[in-house]
Amino acid sequence: GEDVEQSLFLSVREGDSSVINCTYTDSSSTYLYWYKQEPGAGLQLLTYIFSNMDMKQDQRLTVLLNKKDKHLSLRIADTQTGDSAIYFCAEIPGEGTALIFGKGTTLSVSS
Amino acid sequence: DAGVTQSPTHLIKTRGQQVTLRCSPKSGHDTVSWYQQALGQGPQFIFQYYEEEERQRGNFPDRFSGHQFPNYSSELNVNALLLGDSALYLCASSFEGGLSPSGELFFGEGSRLTVL
Repeated sequence: GEDVEQSLFLSVREGDSSVINCTYTDSSSTYLYWYKQEPGAGLQLLTYIFSNMDMKQDQRLTVLLNKKDKHLSLRIADTQTGDSAIYFCAEIPGEGTALIFGKGTTLSVSS
Repeated sequence: DAGVTQSPTHLIKTRGQQVTLRCSPKSGHDTVSWYQQALGQGPQFIFQYYEEEERQRGNFPDRFSGHQFPNYSSELNVNALLLGDSALYLCASSFEGGLSPSGELFFGEGSRLTVL
């Protein structure tokens, strides 16, 4: 496909784990990113992974990369109400330096 | 250490007018990219500046132009504004030094443009 694809919505309960999935377009992408956007705000860089890695962990965040399937996931452990936001997956394709974004996944956390 | 800063935060223009948005990159960064984010969408790449030159451009008309200054700050200019130009304009900075991307790519809070 031509687009970075993400599911649009995810709803979880506080304390549960959240897993947000993404399918990207270019098997030669160098970097893959996860950004968080709260209402009316800019994009906050959560984490990124270089294409030669399969996994990256940073506190409550775990990123898994499956290059064969061009699949990226973000797992948030012990999800809190403050994690409610829109999460964007993005790639830098092999040719170029521009980020290509998905449409974003809205994460709703209920207490 | 200030991150990426953008100004103004909000502005309202009318159709046909021109607008200039400004961006100061994170300290130590030399590359600035601009993105347009329409309501409910992911950001779309406009263009990127490195060493005061446009290095890559997305699918935007010539009404969108930019500039990078010797101190690495950047401006985005949009001429002959259309209603459809209403969006959040985001600036991102990174350090590349002429090589491939280093990974870190930080965004500012954006400038929200409303065209009436």
